[in-house]
Amino acid sequence: AQTVTQSQPEMSVQEAETVTLSCTYDTSESDYYLFWYKQPPSRQMILVIRQEAYKQQNATENRFSVNFQKAAKSFSLKISDSQLGDAAMYFCAYRSWGAGNMLTFGGGTRLMVKP
Amino acid sequence: DTGVSQDPRHKITKRGQNVTFRCDPISEHNRLYWYRQTLGQGPEFLTYFQNEAQLEKSRLLSDRFSAERPKGSFSTLEIQRTEQGDSAMYLCASSFGDRRDTQYFGPGTRLTVL
Repeated sequence: AQTVTQSQPEMSVQEAETVTLSCTYDTSESDYYLFWYKQPPSRQMILVIRQEAYKQQNATENRFSVNFQKAAKSFSLKISDSQLGDAAMYFCAYRSWGAGNMLTFGGGTRLMVKP
Repeated sequence: DTGVSQDPRHKITKRGQNVTFRCDPISEHNRLYWYRQTLGQGPEFLTYFQNEAQLEKSRLLSDRFSAERPKGSFSTLEIQRTEQGDSAMYLCASSFGDRRDTQYFGPGTRLTVL
């Protein structure tokens, strides 16, 4: 079974600064997807960024980028130019290759953004 | 695309009562997932439907839990004889079934069992 670990229960960042959230995972599979989801307080979870394991290039979505290290089974999220609206719980998630597979989530990191 | 909706948003019940939650997925999505999220934790998978067929169930889904998706559209999750340990956020997600198969989440139903 796959496991996902987020070792930082809480992180804080100054507005406009950069922060990196860590995620490690354990799997014996070679093909899979990795995700970062954002869950604002009392609001629904939304997808931030996705990475296919077969792609060497790190995914980027505007201010969000990942550092995917397949051999190390590491998948960190970098948020640049942090904004107050970035404050939320961030969950790293793993999904096996192929549709219809469940997501396995880490325990989450609470990100606080200081004005 | 109105997104995934869930009803009710909050449910308070007494131990031993039955509760039912509803999820309406994004209209063209044929896959529907249920997850449970306890306070301060990440969501945990409960069960998954492709159209009306329930294809996978987690060991977390005890025999007090039952889920249906009768016409391949909305889904219901019923918990019988609720226990205090059932208190959690119940999340529904749906996906289109393409190669990427991204799951889109609803706002959740927060269950409190007294």
